[in-house]
Amino acid sequence: QSALTQPRSVSGSPGQSVTISCTGTSSDVGGYNYVSWYQQHPGKAPKLMIYDVSKRPSGVPDRFSGSKSGNTASLTISGLQAEDEADYYCCSYAGSYVFGTGTKVTVL
Amino acid sequence: EVQLVESGGGLVQPGGSLRLSCAASGFTFSSYWMHWVRQAPGKGLVWVSRINSDGSSTSYADSVKGRFTISRDNAKNTLYLQMNSLRAEDTAVYYCARDVRALTHMDVWGKGTTVTVSS
Repeated sequence: QSALTQPRSVSGSPGQSVTISCTGTSSDVGGYNYVSWYQQHPGKAPKLMIYDVSKRPSGVPDRFSGSKSGNTASLTISGLQAEDEADYYCCSYAGSYVFGTGTKVTVL
Repeated sequence: EVQLVESGGGLVQPGGSLRLSCAASGFTFSSYWMHWVRQAPGKGLVWVSRINSDGSSTSYADSVKGRFTISRDNAKNTLYLQMNSLRAEDTAVYYCARDVRALTHMDVWGKGTTVTVSS
């Protein structure tokens, strides 16, 4: 199972919006509504931010939103804040789990 | 508090073995599927293995199939990963994670344990 494709990095100024794409195939992202997104700060464990494409766990700010179109899922961070600077990984059901390549979000 | 705590990592020579443990607390461990996910230095997350709630079904990434064995002891609230024939490319931080609904998403993660395979 090949890793899902994410941009290596995205950046934005505080208050702006950034969107991270996650491209897979009809066997993973496109075939199921089980895309999740994880935030990881350096040296820390991943944290669930979005599940089932667009649902937010309790405690995750509504600045984080998810969507999907065809074989591509997206994570949007609106009103970017300094603490949002981290690595982000998408993940999809594909018989097992397949992760994305990861995107570093930089707050300028 | 819902918590997962990994242990058992360390330095091992190529070809050696290591057993990782993941102690669960704060939830009914026996009700959840569990996973191991690893992250090589400076690299991304990679799914390694999963086990269903009663331990009767397991699955592995191709890269570890035949070398790693996942298991669990629900009486001890503990998940295990037996790693044999270790290679340099197995060097990584290993995380255990709780699955919410059988391969939909992982909502609780441990802090990880580091495995280094080197001579």
